[in-house]
Amino acid sequence: GAVVSQHPSRVICKSGTSVKIECRSLDFQATTMFWYRQFPKQSLMLMATSNEGSKATYEQGVEKDKFLINHASLTLSTLTVTSAHPEDSSFYICSARILGQGLGYTFGSGTRLTVV
Amino acid sequence: DQQVKQNSPSLSVQEGRISILNCDYTNSMFDYFLWYKKYPAEGPTFLISISSIKDKNEDGRFTVFLNKSAKHLSLHIVPSQPGDSAVYFCAAKAGKLIFGQGTTLQVKP
Repeated sequence: GAVVSQHPSRVICKSGTSVKIECRSLDFQATTMFWYRQFPKQSLMLMATSNEGSKATYEQGVEKDKFLINHASLTLSTLTVTSAHPEDSSFYICSARILGQGLGYTFGSGTRLTVV
Repeated sequence: DQQVKQNSPSLSVQEGRISILNCDYTNSMFDYFLWYKKYPAEGPTFLISISSIKDKNEDGRFTVFLNKSAKHLSLHIVPSQPGDSAVYFCAAKAGKLIFGQGTTLQVKP
């Protein structure tokens, strides 16, 4: 089946630094990538939707200058958390929509970000 | 504004019995509803879905029921197994997926 490889699985960074999270679609082309954030015991909250080759669409309340999303190819999307702060500590998950499959949402394994 | 709600944060059932997980929604434009299973520090895995024009979909031990008039759906797992213990999320699709808060299911041996 379709697999989305997400790295790193966990990262600890110092406050003020930037962290990049990568999601790669293996053996399929992801025309659309979704980025979610999950706080402990809460729902997966959609942060942004990115389409290959175009600018990401951010959900209300998500700072686009802080969470930089790049979807430069059909197999790679990245989320960069810039100038991270402790309140950015969360679980970040990507999800790829498979071309031609209406319900083909495949999720990455997630990244646990801890900002100290 | 929470468009998809799972009002029960947790559920505990005995092995072999039925597990019923509930979900309510507010947006009539959702065209599909999906259930996902999630373990800590992992991404969600797809379980079963239902189109908004259906009222039931079954796949093995998993059955999803949709009541459009009540804007309510439920996931039935029968018989429940200890390996089913996880967090279950319902999600509704209107272009993008909107998730509920999740219900932690514990199946006791």
